[in-house]
Amino acid sequence: EVQLVESGGGLVQPGRSLKLSCAASGFTFSNYGMAWVCQAPTKGLEWVASISTGGGNTYYRDSVKGRFTISRDNAKNTLYLQMDSLRSEDTATYYCARHTTLFDYWGQGVMVTVSS
Amino acid sequence: DVVMTQTPVSLPVSLGGQASISCRSSQSLVHSNGNTYLHWYLQKPGQSPQLLIYRVSNRFSGVPDRFSGSGSGTDFTLKISRVEPEDLGDYYCLQSTHFPRTFGGGTKLELK
Repeated sequence: EVQLVESGGGLVQPGRSLKLSCAASGFTFSNYGMAWVCQAPTKGLEWVASISTGGGNTYYRDSVKGRFTISRDNAKNTLYLQMDSLRSEDTATYYCARHTTLFDYWGQGVMVTVSS
Repeated sequence: DVVMTQTPVSLPVSLGGQASISCRSSQSLVHSNGNTYLHWYLQKPGQSPQLLIYRVSNRFSGVPDRFSGSGSGTDFTLKISRVEPEDLGDYYCLQSTHFPRTFGGGTKLELK
């Protein structure tokens, strides 16, 4: 059974940093691209970033380019999202998702609140 | 970016009834390889999204045949027949033909 478990969320002040993790199990992690998708409170879904199987290719939505960094450790079956220079508009639930030609499996999500 | 427009925003239904959700894209979703990467998700209250339909009309593993998808080019539809309580929630379309991947704004399926 595919499982994705996010961690690392919380309350952070504007301008500070946070690092999210996503532990994967139930599939061969190194064979799949991965992604982060976010959902602001009471809003819809937005793709944030994606990473290729080996980590050599990364992709970001414009609003997070230069501030967020997606990475992975295939030995640990773990996906990461380093979030720097956080803004209030980054407040959202962040989902880790397996990324093939779509997002087929999702984690339960982790909440990030950016507020002073 | 490709804009995905879902209608209606809210859809009241009766249990056992039918529901139809529309998703329109600002550009054709036909990929250069001939495939159309339009997918449908359901997000039940308090849960993460779950894949229902991939590439327009293919049901994902475990999805009942009450769910069906159709469409082409820029115009797509999700139909739910014999609505059951577990079908209630927010439905989203996703296009993955173009980068960045973009979702529709969502349709809330609720009881009439």
